Amino acid sequence: DAMVIQNPRYQVTQFGKPVTLSCSQTLNHNVMYWYQQKSSQAPKLLFHYYDKDFNNEADTPDNFQSRRPNTSFCFLDIRSPGLGDAAMYLCATSRDSIDEQFFGPGTRLTVL
Amino acid sequence: AQSVSQHNHHVILSEAASLELGCNYSYGGTVNLFWYVQYPGQHLQLLLKYFSGDPLVKGIKGFEAEFIKSKFSFNLRKPSVQWSDTAEYFCAVEEGGSYIPTFGRGTSLIVHP
Repeated sequence: DAMVIQNPRYQVTQFGKPVTLSCSQTLNHNVMYWYQQKSSQAPKLLFHYYDKDFNNEADTPDNFQSRRPNTSFCFLDIRSPGLGDAAMYLCATSRDSIDEQFFGPGTRLTVL
Repeated sequence: AQSVSQHNHHVILSEAASLELGCNYSYGGTVNLFWYVQYPGQHLQLLLKYFSGDPLVKGIKGFEAEFIKSKFSFNLRKPSVQWSDTAEYFCAVEEGGSYIPTFGRGTSLIVHP
C-alpha cells in the first residue's frame, strides 16, 4: 500500500546532540511537510517542500533544518535539541493544492 | 494570519449519543476545509473534506460536516457515536489554492460503551 513512513518512531537524544528524523513516501506526491505537535496543541507547520522548493515558516527556529534529496525522501535535522523541542514530529504529503494531506505515524522525540 | 478554533477540547459521550464538534476559522476568502481523525496509537487520517459544491459533506464512518460560509464554520456531526469513535479530531482550513492548511488544536472525544 502507498504510504508515508517515518523512522524512527521513537527517538531519544541528549540536550544539544544533533538528531535527524526521516520521512519517506511511496505516493509520489510533490508536496512534503514537517509538523511539530506538542501535547494538546495543534500541529505546527515547520516547513514544506513544493517539489524542490523549500519553504520555511517565519517562526521556525534556525535550529531546525530540512533536506529533500529526492521526491520520496525528506529529512528533519535538529542541530542542537533543547528540552523544548521534545514533541511529536509529523511528516505529511499532498498532491498539489487539490488534495488532502497524508500523514505518517510520527516520530516522538525525547530530549534528556 | 489564519486561525482555526475548536471550542470543545474534551468531549465525553455515551454510545448512541449524538455528536457535534465545532470548528470556526478566520479567513474571509475561498477555503478548503478538512476534518482529520487520529485514533489511539494511529496516524492522522482524513475523515472528510470540503472544496466546493454541496456544503453538507459526508465522510467515512457515518460522519458529516456542514460548511456555513456566513458563520465561518465547519462543524462535524455524527447522529450516533460508537465506542470506536474514541479519538482526537482536528479541523484544518486551507486558504484556497495555498496547499498550506492551518490546524485547530483538536478535540479529544471519549465514548463510553
